[in-house]
Amino acid sequence: KAGVTQTPRYLIKTRGQQVTLSCSPISGHRSVSWYQQTPGQGLQFLFEYFSETQRNKGNFPGRFSGRQFSNSRSEMNVSTLELGDSALYLCASSLSGGGYSYEQYFGPGTRLTVT
Amino acid sequence: DAKTTQPPSMDCAEGRAANLPCNHSTISGNEYVYWYRQIHSQGPQYIIHGLKNNETNEMASLIITEDRKSSTLILPHATLRDTAVYYCIVRVSYNTDKLIFGTGTRLQVFP
Repeated sequence: KAGVTQTPRYLIKTRGQQVTLSCSPISGHRSVSWYQQTPGQGLQFLFEYFSETQRNKGNFPGRFSGRQFSNSRSEMNVSTLELGDSALYLCASSLSGGGYSYEQYFGPGTRLTVT
Repeated sequence: DAKTTQPPSMDCAEGRAANLPCNHSTISGNEYVYWYRQIHSQGPQYIIHGLKNNETNEMASLIITEDRKSSTLILPHATLRDTAVYYCIVRVSYNTDKLIFGTGTRLQVFP
């Protein structure tokens, strides 16, 4: 079974631009979560989606947004990029549904560099 | 904030058992202990989880103390490929997948 895939793997953007990152979960997984990893702050939770609904959100500004499609694929968007948004963005999927939460499986991440 | 405390780094000789401790003294009755690891620049990898009983799978064993305030992840025969940052996380088992990562333990396996 294929793992979580993320595209693109690497991205370079300029301050003020916006960016969209994509995540395809493991087949059959309906829950998708996003994390940001930086050397200074470590791994931080951004948001999670289940059945196209945002179920939980981390402490990030409104410039960070996401959505989930009916096929469980997810995208996250960052608008008005800042230098501090340079990070590894990780997506994870799980079998979690409306009740019990299962372990998550992470993708390889998208490395975003803002110049 | 993370609800766990781990040593920042540990060393282990290849072929020996690696025992990684974790303190979670404020764990609630409905929270599980999860372990993930992250090999440099890759996404975190799920290892094992448990509630109160000891657990074992093909990767590792998890020993949770009777009072559930601490646990130990055991890699029975460490290899160089086990060099990674290991994260111990406590989380509820329902309605959310949110993981709160601490700083983890950097395990260095040496030849």
